[in-house]
Amino acid sequence: RKEVEQDPGPFNVPEGATVAFNCTYSNSASQSFFWYRQDCRKEPKLLMSVYSSGNEDGRFTAQLNRASQYISLLIRDSKLSDSATYLCVVNSYSSASKIIFGSGTRLSIRP
Amino acid sequence: GAGVSQSPSNKVTEKGKDVELRCDPISGHTALYWYRQSLGQGLEFLIYFQGNSAPDKSGLPSDRFSAERTGGSVSTLTIQRTQQEDSAVYLCASSWTGTSSYNEQFFGPGTRLTVL
Repeated sequence: RKEVEQDPGPFNVPEGATVAFNCTYSNSASQSFFWYRQDCRKEPKLLMSVYSSGNEDGRFTAQLNRASQYISLLIRDSKLSDSATYLCVVNSYSSASKIIFGSGTRLSIRP
Repeated sequence: GAGVSQSPSNKVTEKGKDVELRCDPISGHTALYWYRQSLGQGLEFLIYFQGNSAPDKSGLPSDRFSAERTGGSVSTLTIQRTQQEDSAVYLCASSWTGTSSYNEQFFGPGTRLTVL
């Protein structure tokens, strides 16, 4: 089993829709969590951190469920520009190799 | 300000040849990471530098891979006797500090390596 798993998608949704996807992690010692966004043939960029109490940044909401060991990302009122691959990142602080990037979930927003 | 830069952007080489990939991190960033990303896959951790030292080399796939960092700045990833399975995008990232607390990693544009 991979340490960090994501549904690869693609999620294909119409503009304006709400879409959510999860990322599960296996290491219960994991301490910090993030979502990165990667556009096609581009480098990943930080989208948002994920806090224990959940957090929002505009149309984006991130949540953490430690009991079930998953994080989620919800995008409301999706835009064409949201089309990208979303990578979850899990860090247990024990070593650099424990900063684990998921394989990503592809999201495609159609007009 | 200037972001992370990598060179070359593309490299095509023949099987068995050695290649050198270069990363210039953001000025002042002490932590530097190398990752490999194959088509449609996630990022595979290769090596981490804190300053000039590499406390974590656990991700290097074989002894054909090596990396160094000089002056706490530029890093070079060397792949000897390249194989076709080495073909991937090699991404470099830097951050202010290391892994004691997570700092946002800023990625370079990557070097796309193709081994024929």
